Amino acid sequence: ETGVTQSPTHLIKTRGQQVTLRCSSQSGHNTVSWYQQALGQGPQFIFQYYREEENGRGNFPPRFSGLQFPNYSSELNVNALELDDSALYLCASSWGQTQYFGPGTRLLVL
Amino acid sequence: KNQVEQSPQSLIILEGKNCTLQCNYTVSPFSNLRWYKQDTGRGPVSLTIMTFSENTKSNGRYTATLDADTKQSSLHITASQLSDSASYICVVSAAAKLSFGAGTTVTVRA
Repeated sequence: ETGVTQSPTHLIKTRGQQVTLRCSSQSGHNTVSWYQQALGQGPQFIFQYYREEENGRGNFPPRFSGLQFPNYSSELNVNALELDDSALYLCASSWGQTQYFGPGTRLLVL
Repeated sequence: KNQVEQSPQSLIILEGKNCTLQCNYTVSPFSNLRWYKQDTGRGPVSLTIMTFSENTKSNGRYTATLDADTKQSSLHITASQLSDSASYICVVSAAAKLSFGAGTTVTVRA
């Protein structure tokens, strides 16, 4: 177990809807990253938060946004869902050089 | 073109046999290279992390090698077990950014 939890485990939404995914990191891990992993592909970096500020972003549109809270939890929000947003969404907290991944939330957009 | 290329895309081996997975990268400047194991529907779990000065690192039956001059890494699995069936992802860190390979899917059969 990595000590990183995510909720919900699975989610089904329809095109155009909005979704919020949650991640709870280990205490003291003040860096959290979010990734999108399509089936059969490696994770793609969405963005990273450090001490509640976004400090890095991948090639994702602004409808992907996030928040990090003082209690080491974080959120990924996706607006105006598209079919291609269907994927496994992973969060990872960092301690030193090691990233600890959560189990992921599988999102299906119909 | 992905900056981290893994091969083969998938492989099937018999329980007890060895196998070697390859990772070639073009990412620079290089910070470290990581191998992760990802079970189906789960988040990746770190196996090894190697910096520029390290050319081999072991974690139980997993041994990773790194040739920073040729920008190649390998992951060797010894005496495979059914529980080794998973996707193995090579991740290269450069300037605090992680680049993920697409992974090699390993299936171990009895």
